[in-house]
Amino acid sequence: DVKVTQSSRYLVKRTGEKVFLECVQDMDHENMFWYRQDPGLGLRLIYFSYDVKMKEKGDIPEGYSVSREKKERFSLILESASTNQTSMYLCASSFYGRTPYEQYFGPGTRLTVT
Amino acid sequence: GIQVEQSPPDLILQEGANSTLRCNFSDSVNNLQWFHQNPWGQLINLFYIPSGTKQNGRLSATTVATERYSLLYISSSQTTDSGVYFCAVINTGTASKLTFGTGTRLQVTL
Repeated sequence: DVKVTQSSRYLVKRTGEKVFLECVQDMDHENMFWYRQDPGLGLRLIYFSYDVKMKEKGDIPEGYSVSREKKERFSLILESASTNQTSMYLCASSFYGRTPYEQYFGPGTRLTVT
Repeated sequence: GIQVEQSPPDLILQEGANSTLRCNFSDSVNNLQWFHQNPWGQLINLFYIPSGTKQNGRLSATTVATERYSLLYISSSQTTDSGVYFCAVINTGTASKLTFGTGTRLQVTL
């Protein structure tokens, strides 16, 4: 069974704080992704990585950065949290190939920035 | 970019009823997935189905890629089927980025 875990289910942070969201997968997947989900806007891709130390911007990278130092771990960083980053954050992973493979999601982190 | 539309947006069923959810997409795809989002927010993989037909218990799915749509069938619905169902696609030639539809919210009542 594929397992994708995220460091917290619920997180409350103050405006201006630096926030780290961590994601770990145990299936030796090359690809890892960070999405956010907002009512009325659906799920949108923030960043993804197809290899260690590699990253690509998604649709909404502003205000975020990422780090991938090990294959199984992908971190999303909010350098200075703002209230408009209050959201549900979902991590996913998949194998890499010429034809896209199935993506598997973690349980999500509900982040509230006050 | 590719557009993904799901219908109906909301659906209320009595337990035991059958339903069909539809996903239309505006361009060619080489990945299509169906998910169920449970009340706690987790996305559960239902099907990976860029083409053809698959069945898993009471659920089945069909994708007709040439006509740009996919259908999810739920038979003999149960209250545990409640939640939001998402279709997500990867547009051919756009790496691995999933584009999600807006979802169908299903409520199954006793």
